[in-house]
Amino acid sequence: NAGVTQTPKFQVLKTGQSMTLQCAQDMNHEYMSWYRQDPGMGLRLIHYSVGAGITDQGEVPNGYNVSRSTTEDFPLRLLSAAPSQTSVYFCASSYGSHANSPLHFGNGTRLTVT
Amino acid sequence: KQEVTQIPAALSVPEGENLVLNCSFTDSAIYNLQWFRQDPGKGLTSLLLIQSSQREQTSGRLNASLDKSSGRSTLYIAASQPGDSATYLCAVIEYSGGGADGLTFGKGTHLIIQP
Repeated sequence: NAGVTQTPKFQVLKTGQSMTLQCAQDMNHEYMSWYRQDPGMGLRLIHYSVGAGITDQGEVPNGYNVSRSTTEDFPLRLLSAAPSQTSVYFCASSYGSHANSPLHFGNGTRLTVT
Repeated sequence: KQEVTQIPAALSVPEGENLVLNCSFTDSAIYNLQWFRQDPGKGLTSLLLIQSSQREQTSGRLNASLDKSSGRSTLYIAASQPGDSATYLCAVIEYSGGGADGLTFGKGTHLIIQP
């Protein structure tokens, strides 16, 4: 199993550009989520999904969209990139309810917005 | 709003010592508490998950305890090794009324084990 795979690993955008961060897992996990990690702020939840077709907002959802058309994939879309979105983005998944199962993380996407 | 605090922010100890990392949280209505390890440039690796009804979990040289009523957890590392050097994060999942929400993370303890 590859686990949780995130692409790309690094990305540089200009202000106003859009892009999609990809996340795929091959563990048949129902729960998937996106976090951003910033120095001094820790990890903060952006969006999450408890199953295909179901998504919900986390703590910092503004400027981001998600969809969950399949169990395996949970892409994160930046609609119009801003310098404040410079961060490291992590995708995570867990089997069944994330209240009872450990989270598995990808290796992250380091995004810089200039 | 749930807040998770980890003390100390950084710790450096000689190899072989036993050590304790601390985590506190403000709202005791949690489903579980998890301890993670993060190596530089990498994602997080789950170390231990303690359900709210449990008092502790053990995995190898690691032991995590949970005192939900006082809002505290500790991660005990026995016989530390240089390979234990990493940032350790704790996180809680709380009940948000509609079910479990996402994790709330502490900012981590950066641990260095000196050879």
